[in-house]
Amino acid sequence: LAKTTQPISMDSYEGQEVNITCSHNNIATNDYITWYQQFPSQGPRFIIQGYKTKVTNEVASLFIPADRKSSTLSLPRVSLSDTAVYYCLVGTPSYSGAGSYQLTFGKGTKLSVIP
Amino acid sequence: GAVVSQHPSWVICKSGTSVKIECRSLDFQATTMFWYRQFPKQSLMLMATSNEGSKATYEQGVEKDKFLINHASLTLSTLTVTSAHPEDSSFYICSAKPGTYSYEQYFGPGTRLTVT
Repeated sequence: LAKTTQPISMDSYEGQEVNITCSHNNIATNDYITWYQQFPSQGPRFIIQGYKTKVTNEVASLFIPADRKSSTLSLPRVSLSDTAVYYCLVGTPSYSGAGSYQLTFGKGTKLSVIP
Repeated sequence: GAVVSQHPSWVICKSGTSVKIECRSLDFQATTMFWYRQFPKQSLMLMATSNEGSKATYEQGVEKDKFLINHASLTLSTLTVTSAHPEDSSFYICSAKPGTYSYEQYFGPGTRLTVT
């Protein structure tokens, strides 16, 4: 399982775009990159997932360079409700038949949005 | 879609007693479910992986006789904390994966366990 490194914390003002970068130097060929958001005392919530280049959905964009050794989660125009911990995870399903897809959570990035 | 529930959402028990936590996938069948533990201000730590109809696989350092996991159906997995002690107090979160080759994983809301 590829190890990930993220900034421990970030601050941003409301309305700004926030970019959180994650390093995963030993990402494997079959690994996907997934970002989760977690509010206190809640389970993580899926934000976005990608393999290469750029992925965009209604809440975020994910930029992945060609070497895939890093990825950047972009949150447009953050609001106070985006204050949370954001986790970057790298992994791949096991095709051995067991179907396990373990997610190893790093320390995450605590994003604080300031009014 | 893809909703995972946990019950109870919080529980307080006395030291030495056992507590069962349920994890259900409400609108999909989960071939694999995972159990995590999260201490305050720390990240999630994977405890075990359970596949329907087979024994759970525990992570290193997790006592399988203390944390009993049963995945009896494609929509239900249970975690039983046996002979609970105050150090078992934590936030327990389950997640479920729809399908063998799915990259997606959906998390429950978590269960806060306090052992007095």
